[in-house]
Amino acid sequence: KAGVTQTPRYLIKTRGQQVTLSCSPISGHRSVSWYQQTPGQGLQFLFEYFSETQRNKGNFPGRFSGRQFSNSRSEMNVSTLELGDSALYLCASSFGQGYNYGYTFGSGTRLTVV
Amino acid sequence: DAKTTQPPSMDCAEGRAANLPCNHSTISGNEYVYWYRQIHSQGPQYIIHGLKNNETNEMASLIITEDRKSSTLILPHATLRDTAVYYCIGQASGTYKYIFGTGTRLKVLA
Repeated sequence: KAGVTQTPRYLIKTRGQQVTLSCSPISGHRSVSWYQQTPGQGLQFLFEYFSETQRNKGNFPGRFSGRQFSNSRSEMNVSTLELGDSALYLCASSFGQGYNYGYTFGSGTRLTVV
Repeated sequence: DAKTTQPPSMDCAEGRAANLPCNHSTISGNEYVYWYRQIHSQGPQYIIHGLKNNETNEMASLIITEDRKSSTLILPHATLRDTAVYYCIGQASGTYKYIFGTGTRLKVLA
């Protein structure tokens, strides 16, 4: 079966612009999480959605937002981009929301802010 | 929150068992321990998870101490393709988000 699909794979944006990243979860998966990975901070949790509702949010500024659609696809948006937002953004999906469900990660979107 | 501590790096000879330790002394009673690995520039790949009992699947075995303060991931016959960063992940108390540590960079040597 198809895995978690993230688009685009690579993106270059200018400081001050905004960007939208897309994630299509595995068919039947209802939980989608987003993570930011940088060399300095490692993997950090951004937010998690389940059935179109944001259930958890990490410690990121309000410039980072997301949403989930009725088909479980998810998008995240970063407004007023800063150089420090350059990172690999990873999406992960899971069948349910609970301790006994592992997540399947996508290959990520590598965002470069110049 | 279940913070984890892992050695930054380990080497293992090809064909030998790789034993990767993790300390998660702050884990709560209902929080699972998950193991993932990440090969350069790819998304993390799920390996195994457990709560109290030892677990085994086609990829690895997970040994959890009785007090649940630490665990060991065992790759029984390491291959060069197992070279990766291995993350032992705790789950934030009362939530469903992963807290990634810095991981262990495992290098399998020919």
